[in-house]
Amino acid sequence: GAGVSQSPRYKVAKRGQDVALRCDPISGHVSLFWYQQALGQGPEFLTYFQNEAQLDKSGLPSDRFFAERPEGSVSTLKIQRTQQEDSAVYLCASSLADVTGDHEQFFGPGTRLTVL
Amino acid sequence: AQSVTQPDIHITVSEGASLELRCNYSYGATPYLFWYVQSPGQGLQLLLKYFSGDTLVQGIKGFEAEFKRSQSSFNLRKPSVHWSDAAEYFCAVDNAGNMLTFGGGTRLMVKP
Repeated sequence: GAGVSQSPRYKVAKRGQDVALRCDPISGHVSLFWYQQALGQGPEFLTYFQNEAQLDKSGLPSDRFFAERPEGSVSTLKIQRTQQEDSAVYLCASSLADVTGDHEQFFGPGTRLTVL
Repeated sequence: AQSVTQPDIHITVSEGASLELRCNYSYGATPYLFWYVQSPGQGLQLLLKYFSGDTLVQGIKGFEAEFKRSQSSFNLRKPSVHWSDAAEYFCAVDNAGNMLTFGGGTRLMVKP
């Protein structure tokens, strides 16, 4: 079956523009995660959904970042008024995990965002 | 807060030589432990994982890792490195089933 897909793969935005990044998780996966990976660093957690509920958004760096998963499947990460420091690869992952389940996360290829 | 340390930012080994990548974590209980590999422009691929049981776990591509509770370590090993193993390697921990904390990564270069 298909893995996690993300679109677009590359996005160039001018400073101040809004962007929307899409994630299609593996079908049937309950949990969905967003991570931000700056150049030369490890990924850092942004937010987590279980079905349509956003259970943890503690990693979102500012109120310019917003994520949603309205039907418990596809998720969108939106960044408003982009800044240069938002330039990074945004990774999406999905997992079957609920509280007691398998904790393996499957990652998409990422969206590389460059803010000029 | 939990943290993951990968002390080696870069490692260079000769093809055919053995490899060990270090990973130490800071967390009160035994977390779930993972090693991922990332090739340039690619997403993260899971090499292996430890949840419980046997502390020596086998993964894909000939990799293995050993969980040592007393040292809070989960080092990745491979007996004979291939040129195609050149990539970035990330150790990660999951303590609550709802997020991964990653180390800073180790970039592996393989000399012919």
